[in-house]
Amino acid sequence: GAVVSQHPSWVICKSGTSVKIECRSLDFQATTMFWYRQFPKQSLMLMATSNEGSKATYEQGVEKDKFLINHASLTLSTLTVTSAHPEDSSFYICSARPPDYGYTFGSGTRLTVV
Amino acid sequence: DQQVKQNSPSLSVQEGRISILNCDYTNSMFDYFLWYKKYPAEGPTFLISISSIKDKNEDGRFTVFLNKSAKHLSLHIVPSQPGDSAVYFCAARGLYNTDKLIFGTGTRLQVFP
Repeated sequence: GAVVSQHPSWVICKSGTSVKIECRSLDFQATTMFWYRQFPKQSLMLMATSNEGSKATYEQGVEKDKFLINHASLTLSTLTVTSAHPEDSSFYICSARPPDYGYTFGSGTRLTVV
Repeated sequence: DQQVKQNSPSLSVQEGRISILNCDYTNSMFDYFLWYKKYPAEGPTFLISISSIKDKNEDGRFTVFLNKSAKHLSLHIVPSQPGDSAVYFCAARGLYNTDKLIFGTGTRLQVFP
């Protein structure tokens, strides 16, 4: 089946640094990928839609300059959390929709900013 | 503005019995609904889906019912098994003709022996 690989699975960084999270579609091409974040015991909140070869579409309230999304190829989207702060600590998950298949999700990245 | 809601944050069911998880939505533009199972620190796992043109879809132990007039869907798991214990999310698609999913707030299901 269609697989989305996400890494790292967890990362700890210092406040003020930037962190990049990668999301790869392993056996299909994804012109669109989605990025979510989940706080403890809360829902998955859609942050942005990543579009291959064009700018990402951000949901209301999500700072595009803080959460940089790059979708430079049909199999890779990256989310960079810039100048991370402790309140950015969360669980980030990417998703893609393979052809003729339901949505598939990455395994998630636990970001802890100290 | 939570467009997809799961009003029961938790549910406890005995093994072998039926688990019923509920989900309500507010926007009639949603055209496709999905249920996911999720463990902590993992991505969601797809369970079952239903198109808005249907009112029922069944797959093994899982059945999803859709009541469009009430903007309500439910997931039935029967018989429930201890391995079903997890957080369940409903999700809806179709706003503004996009593929993006809007997730509900989640229900933690615990199946005890």
